[in-house]
Amino acid sequence: NAGVTQTPKFQVLKTGQSMTLQCAQDMNHNSMYWYRQDPGMGLRLIYYSASEGTTDKGEVPNGYNVSRLNKREFSLRLESAAPSQTSVYFCASKIPSSGANVLTFGAGSRLTVL
Amino acid sequence: QKEVEQDPGPLSVPEGAIVSLNCTYSNSAFQYFMWYRQYSRKGPELLMYTYSSGNKEDGRFTAQVDKSSKYISLFIRDSQPSDSATYLCAMSATNAGKSTFGDGTTLTVKP
Repeated sequence: NAGVTQTPKFQVLKTGQSMTLQCAQDMNHNSMYWYRQDPGMGLRLIYYSASEGTTDKGEVPNGYNVSRLNKREFSLRLESAAPSQTSVYFCASKIPSSGANVLTFGAGSRLTVL
Repeated sequence: QKEVEQDPGPLSVPEGAIVSLNCTYSNSAFQYFMWYRQYSRKGPELLMYTYSSGNKEDGRFTAQVDKSSKYISLFIRDSQPSDSATYLCAMSATNAGKSTFGDGTTLTVKP
């Protein structure tokens, strides 16, 4: 039982390059989320998916796209990376039986855009 | 103005001290209040959550919510060096959808 798995763990891009961050969960959770974390700014929601086949914008969606490939997988794509997208990205899924909006997070993907 | 404001820290205390971590919020619709702990270079992990007002205790940790003041706190008793981490408060209006996070408070407990 791996929980939430993110790949890659580290990535360096040049401005204008594209890449996809992968996320998979093996807990059969319906809802999945992508956050970014910058120093002193906490966690900001980029996109979320309440269930397979649906996605919604969060607080900071500009410059990103997402795909909910199936119930397990939720990917985040940067089409044309910018230095402002240098950040740590966290994928999370919601624990359905928790009675609250409780999330299980992956270990993070550290992205640097030069 | 942010919906959730968290005491910025950093906070440094001696081992055995009582620690108080605090957040305020502006959205009166928030009903679910969570505390996450994040060790360096790791993902956040849930410590505890509460619904509506009141206290909840789990071992050395106590979460307190005062909805009338829009203020929540996490108390750590008998703090240990292993408690050194960043603590994030989070809130949501429902048990689904989105949570709003505070910016985090970094705590160091010195032996």
